Parts: sequence; C-alpha cells; structure tokens
Amino acid sequence: QSALTQPASVSGSPGQSITLSCTGTTSDVGAYNHVSWYQQHPGKAPKLLIYGVNERPSGVSNRFSGSKSGNTASLTISGLQAEDEADYYCSSYTISSTWVFGGGTKLTVL
Amino acid sequence: QVQLVESGGGLVKPGGSLRLSCAASGFSFSDFYMTWIRQAPGKGLEWVSYISQTGSTMSYSDSVKGRFTISRDNAKNSLYLQMNSLRADDTAVYYCARKNTWGSGDYWGQGTLATVSS
Repeated sequence: QSALTQPASVSGSPGQSITLSCTGTTSDVGAYNHVSWYQQHPGKAPKLLIYGVNERPSGVSNRFSGSKSGNTASLTISGLQAEDEADYYCSSYTISSTWVFGGGTKLTVL
Repeated sequence: QVQLVESGGGLVKPGGSLRLSCAASGFSFSDFYMTWIRQAPGKGLEWVSYISQTGSTMSYSDSVKGRFTISRDNAKNSLYLQMNSLRADDTAVYYCARKNTWGSGDYWGQGTLATVSS
C-alpha cells in the first residue's frame, strides 16, 4: 500500500490557475475512477473537493476541477484566492479493496 | 445537518489499548459505508479502515491489520475502532468519515487524538 505521489509544495499568485498532480499505479489511480481530492486548512478536518475524478460536491466552488490520465490524477484551481492556501490530498481506491492517500501538497498563495 | 463526533482518544502506553467512538447524526447512518482515517502530528492523511452498511465487509490498512478492529452499531448510530497492541507510530488524530457512493469521505468529524507514549 504505497502512498500516491504528490509534489510537496506548489505556489501561485492570486488570480492564477495552478494544477496539482497525483501519481499512482495501475493498481490504484489507473485502475478505477474512484479518485478524490481533499483540502485541509491548519487545525481543521479535511474537506472533500472532488470525487469520482471530476465530480464536485454541492457547495464546492467551480474553481476546483479534477481530471485523470492514465495513472496520474490532477486537481486544477482557477482564479487562485488567498483562502485556497491549504494542504491538498488525493486519494484512490485500490485493487486490494483498500484506499490510499497521497503525501499531500502544501499550496502557498503568494 | 450531518454531524460526526469522535471520542475516546487519550494517552496510552505502548502495548495498550484504546476504543474510539464516532457518534453520527443528521443522516440515515445504516445506509452508508463508514471509514477511519488518521493523521500523525505534522504528517499527511493515512487511511485506516472502512466498514459496510451492515458490518459484513471490512478492510484494513497493512499498518493496522491484526491489531485494530472496526465495528458499528446501527441502532446507536455509532462507529467504533478498537485499537490493540498500540505502538508509538499509532499516535495520531483519528477522524471518522462518511463514505459517499463513490467511496469518498464526504463528511468528517473533528477528530480525536490518540497518543501512545511511555
């Protein structure tokens, strides 16, 4: 059950678009469309942003969008805002009927 | 509104046990898979376990298999995690979450801290 691979940190300026990557294998990200993205602010519980690769829960801004190509999933944040500064985690179902998270990406809004 | 409230965390010695609870309200608890996810201090999220609506299906991460047991009581709208043979690296905030039809955690509790230390 190896963790999915995410860049440790990314940064962007307000108004920009940025894309976070999440690389897995043919046993997880590449096997299913059960890929989720979560946002976590310091001291808070994670919040679901994207499920099923590209579906947004009710109430989540349409500035957040997800996609997948092969073994790599991506989260794009458009029109970057100060409140987007947080940690972002991807997650995937696996062929072993387990779940795995990425190591997380710290997003800094400059 | 959906609410999940964890309890049962605390300080325990290595080799000891803890039982975490998660009280659910605001939705039909028996209709959903539930899951436990933990986060060690300053570290990322780690999936721990999930359980099906009736409790007939359970799955565990390799790091806790054989030591932790997930269970639920649908009559009490409660989820549990029995943690035995605890180790220092089990120290973490433990979150319970409701799983939507895609298996994603759509609602999370605030977490409960379990500290394993001598």
